Amino acid sequence: SQQGEEDPQALSIQEGENATMNCSYKTSINNLQWYRQNSGRGLVHLILIRSNEREKHSGRLRVTLDTSKKSSSLLITASRAADTASYFCATLMEYGNKLVFGAGTILRVKS
Amino acid sequence: DTEVTQTPKHLVMGMTNKKSLKCEQHMGHRAMYWYKQKAKKPPELMFVYSYEKLSINESVPSRFSPECPNSSLLNLHLHALQPEDSALYLCASSQDGRYVDIQYFGAGTRLSVL
Repeated sequence: SQQGEEDPQALSIQEGENATMNCSYKTSINNLQWYRQNSGRGLVHLILIRSNEREKHSGRLRVTLDTSKKSSSLLITASRAADTASYFCATLMEYGNKLVFGAGTILRVKS
Repeated sequence: DTEVTQTPKHLVMGMTNKKSLKCEQHMGHRAMYWYKQKAKKPPELMFVYSYEKLSINESVPSRFSPECPNSSLLNLHLHALQPEDSALYLCASSQDGRYVDIQYFGAGTRLSVL
């Protein structure tokens, strides 16, 4: 079964607004990663946060990790139409050797 | 070069055909992966090769046969597939086969089984 669950399933916002996506997981992790997938294409790695980190930034992206609540959030600030895509969290379990992907959030940014 | 190249981009095959998907990376990565992705679903891991040896097989039916001829190449041989095998097949690689870190994905092969 999937390790990560994401919400919302779909999000529609106006260009310039911020978008927040959440990911929850069930077991202890080594790291949590976020990937973006444009329609029907391969996944692109966005950011990785390790279990001993609480927050990371990369450009317009901000990721937080709360291991006590087993949850993470991805914030995209000042969204652009080009941010329209599916976003997946993926977890590497503490003693695991594979990534397990969440169900994903479909983000639509309207111009 | 952070590219993973998959060929072909699209493939249509009958249930009695034999075909192969190809994946190539020149980043010196030692782990390579095959994923299957159905529409509006997350990728599902099929196989992992670590240091050119099969390290994970996620109970994939034998009609899918992976092969890793060398550290840069990964093939997926297909035989006697079913219509439900139609999906996007993604290849990925990561630097170290012993520790899963960032994965780099190819653009995928869109497979249709008639």
